[in-house]
Amino acid sequence: AQKVTQAQTEISVVEKEDVTLDCVYETRDTTYYLFWYKQPPSGELVFLIRRNSFDEQNEISGRYSWNFQKSTSSFNFTITASQVVDSAVYFCALRAYSGAGSYQLTFGKGTKLSVIP
Amino acid sequence: DGGITQSPKYLFRKEGQNVTLSCEQNLNHDAMYWYRQDPGQGLRLIYYSQIVNDFQKGDIAEGYSVSREKKESFPLTVTSAQKNPTAFYLCASSSGQGGFSTDTQYFGPGTRLTVL
Repeated sequence: AQKVTQAQTEISVVEKEDVTLDCVYETRDTTYYLFWYKQPPSGELVFLIRRNSFDEQNEISGRYSWNFQKSTSSFNFTITASQVVDSAVYFCALRAYSGAGSYQLTFGKGTKLSVIP
Repeated sequence: DGGITQSPKYLFRKEGQNVTLSCEQNLNHDAMYWYRQDPGQGLRLIYYSQIVNDFQKGDIAEGYSVSREKKESFPLTVTSAQKNPTAFYLCASSSGQGGFSTDTQYFGPGTRLTVL
């Protein structure tokens, strides 16, 4: 079975501070995919990034960056110079083989980020 | 615009009633999914469909039913057998048939169901 742990339930930062959201995963599968989604107050989940288990290169997209470390089973997400619009719940998710020909997407419980002006 | 639509946005149900939540996509995706989200929780999979006329139970299928008669549509019925149906329901779709692909799931805006 797979599991995703987001230990930080809520984080508050002041605008322009950097913030890192932690994600630790568990799976026995050797080929898997990791995702981050953003859920603003409106409720819709917005896809941010997908990373496969064979690609440990870090990725940067504007103010967002992701650090994938297979050795520690972590896929952390950093927002640089945070803005009020970054306030949302962020979910880390793992897609791996779950048996019977099925690949399920397992979500962490999310981290609520509040950016204070 | 391509995307996933869910209706209604808010739904109120009396105890003992069945209700159906709509999910439509025009992304030409093969696979569709229904998730339930409770406050402070992650998403839990209710049902998924990898192809028309086929669907599979997820982790919490009891008290729910689905159909997949058309590629674009995947309605979810919350039956009176669902003991605690008040939640936020999210529909998603992905382009492949789900099983062996890397497909990213894209989500609709959600339906908030409240049982009175």
